[in-house]
Amino acid sequence: QKEVEQDPGPLSVPEGAIVSLNCTYSNSAFQYFMWYRQYSRKGPELLMYTYSSGNKEDGRFTAQVDKSSKYISLFIRDSQPSDSATYLCAMINSGGSNYKLTFGKGTLLTVNP
Amino acid sequence: DTGVSQDPRHKITKRGQNVTFRCDPISEHNRLYWYRQTLGQGPEFLTYFQNEAQLEKSRLLSDRFSAERPKGSFSTLEIQRTEQGDSAMYLCASSSLTDGTQYFGPGTRLLVL
Repeated sequence: QKEVEQDPGPLSVPEGAIVSLNCTYSNSAFQYFMWYRQYSRKGPELLMYTYSSGNKEDGRFTAQVDKSSKYISLFIRDSQPSDSATYLCAMINSGGSNYKLTFGKGTLLTVNP
Repeated sequence: DTGVSQDPRHKITKRGQNVTFRCDPISEHNRLYWYRQTLGQGPEFLTYFQNEAQLEKSRLLSDRFSAERPKGSFSTLEIQRTEQGDSAMYLCASSSLTDGTQYFGPGTRLLVL
C-alpha cells in the first residue's frame, strides 16, 4: 500500500460545478498537507497549505483535513475551464529531518465550458 | 525574483550517454530538492540539500545519479550511463529555512532512446 492514495480520475465536470478531490494516507506522522496544481508539461504550483486537522479557504478553493480518518479534500467552487489541470495532494512528515514531500498520483480534472 | 529555473527544459539522449541538469533556486532559499515524475504519477523525492550539504538521498537515486550544490546556490543533477527507465520529468524545488513551502521549477523532461 502506498503512503498516499489518490484517485487518478480522469474527472470531467461542466463549468460552474463544485469539484471535490480527495486523498487518503496511511502514515499518521503526516502533519502538513498541501494541494498542488500542475498544468500539462509544467511544474507543480502550490494552491493550498494546511497544518493538521481543519479547514482552510482561499477564494474558490477550500482544503479540509480529517486526521482521524486520514483523509484530505480539496473543493473547488464555481469551477472554470482554466481550472483544468492535474491536482496533486502532498504531505510532509513532521518527525523527519527534512521536508520531503510525499505525493499522491494526481487527479486529472477537465472543466468543460 | 523570477522563481525556480531549470535548464534545459527538454533533453533527448541515447542510452548510455551522460546528461546533466541545472537548477537555480529562488535566491536566498537554503533548501533545494530534486524530484522525479513519471507519466501518470506524482513526483517522487530524490535528494535534498541544505545550503551546500546533501542531507538525504532516496533509494531511487542509484549510483549512476549524482547531485551537487556547490557554494549553496545552483544545483546540478547528473545521470551517467542513462537507461530508458530514466526517462521522466526531473523537478527541482526550493524553500527557505523559516517557511517549508516548496516552490517548483518548470522541470526538465528527459527522453532516453
